[in-house]
Amino acid sequence: QKEVEQNSGPLSVPEGAIASLNCTYSDRGSQSFFWYRQYSGKSPELIMSIYSNGDKEDGRFTAQLNKASQYVSLLIRDSQPSDSATYLCAVNIRDGSDYKLSFGAGTTVTVRA
Amino acid sequence: ETGVTQTPRHLVMGMTNKKSLKCEQHLGHNAMYWYKQSAKKPLELMFVYSLEERVENNSVPSRFSPECPNSSHLFLHLHTLQPEDSALYLCASSQDRRGMNGELFFGEGSRLTVL
Repeated sequence: QKEVEQNSGPLSVPEGAIASLNCTYSDRGSQSFFWYRQYSGKSPELIMSIYSNGDKEDGRFTAQLNKASQYVSLLIRDSQPSDSATYLCAVNIRDGSDYKLSFGAGTTVTVRA
Repeated sequence: ETGVTQTPRHLVMGMTNKKSLKCEQHLGHNAMYWYKQSAKKPLELMFVYSLEERVENNSVPSRFSPECPNSSHLFLHLHTLQPEDSALYLCASSQDRRGMNGELFFGEGSRLTVL
C-alpha cells in the first residue's frame, strides 16, 4: 500500500467552480498534513497545513481532515485559471522512532476560462 | 533574493560524465534535503542533512554523492549515471529536521537528462 495516495487527474473544472482534491494515507498515527502547489516548471510551495479533524479555511482554500477515515482533502472555491497547477498532498509518516514527510504523486488541476 | 537557489537549472550529461548540482539557502535553516521528482511519481527523498551532518540516506545508489560543507550549502555529486536517473532534482530546506512542521522551502530544481 502506498503511504500517500492521490488521484493523478487531470481534474478539469470551469472557472468559478469548486475543485475538490482527495488524498488518503496509510499511517493511522499521522498527525500532520499538508498541501503543496506546484506550477508547471516550478518548485512546490506550501499552501495549507492541517493538524486537527475538521475544516481549515484560508481564503478560497479549505482543507478537510478525517483521521478516522485516513482522508484529507483540499477544496478550491471560485476556481481561477491561476489555480491550474499540480497539488501535492504530504503527510508525516512514522519512520522508526522518527517521522518523515511523505508525498503523494500529485493531482493536476486545470481551470477552464 | 530567493530563499533557496539551485544551479544549474538544466544539465545534460553522458553516462560517463561527472557533474555536480549546487544548492544554497538564505533562510537560516538548519536542515537541507535532496529530492528526486520523476513524472507521475511522488517526490522521493534522497538525502537529509541537519546542521551539516547527514542523518538519512534512503538507500540511494552510490553514483549519487551528497556534500554539505556548511548549513547554507548542499551539493549533489553525480557520476556514471544511468538514463533512468533523468529527473528533476529538488533541493529543500526547513527550520529543523523534525519534520512535524512539514514546511519545506524548495529551490526551483535542476532538470537532469542523462544520455
